[in-house]
Amino acid sequence: NAGVTQTPKFRILKIGQSMTLQCAQDMNHNYMYWYRQDPGMGLKLIYYSVGAGITDKGEVPNGYNVSRSTTEDFPLRLELAAPSQTSVYFCASAQESYNEQFFGPGTRLTVL
Amino acid sequence: KQEVTQIPAALSVPEGENLVLNCSFTDSAIYNLQWFRQDPGKGLTSLLLIQSSQREQTSGRLNASLDKSSGRSTLYIAASQPGDSATYLCACQASNYQLIWGAGTKLIIKP
Repeated sequence: NAGVTQTPKFRILKIGQSMTLQCAQDMNHNYMYWYRQDPGMGLKLIYYSVGAGITDKGEVPNGYNVSRSTTEDFPLRLELAAPSQTSVYFCASAQESYNEQFFGPGTRLTVL
Repeated sequence: KQEVTQIPAALSVPEGENLVLNCSFTDSAIYNLQWFRQDPGKGLTSLLLIQSSQREQTSGRLNASLDKSSGRSTLYIAASQPGDSATYLCACQASNYQLIWGAGTKLIIKP
């Protein structure tokens, strides 16, 4: 199993550009999550999904959108990139909501 | 609102020592508490998950305890090794699926 995979690993965006961060898992997990981690801080939940077709906002959803058309994939969309979105983004998955979460390697995004 | 604190922010100890990392939380209504390890430039690895009904969990040289009444968890690392150097994060899970994270303790084990 590849576990949780994320692409790209690094990206530099200009203010106002858009991009999609990809996340996929091959463990047939129901729950998937997007987090961001700012330097010296803990992670903050952006969006989560409890299954295909179902998504909900986390703590810091503004400026982001998600979709979950399949169990495996959970892409995160940034529509109008802002410097405040410079961060490391982690995708995670879990079989059930209170189970151990498995993390991808992260995407380091810089908005200039 | 749940807040999770990890003190100290950084810790440096000689190889071979036993050590304890601390995690405190403000709301005892949690479903579980998880400890993760984060290596530079890499993702997070789950180390131990303690359900709210449990007092401790063990995996190899690691032992995590949970005291909900006092809002504290500790991660005990026995016989530390240079390979244990990493940032250790704790996170509490509340009823809305959300993990609330501490900022982490950066651990350096000196050979």
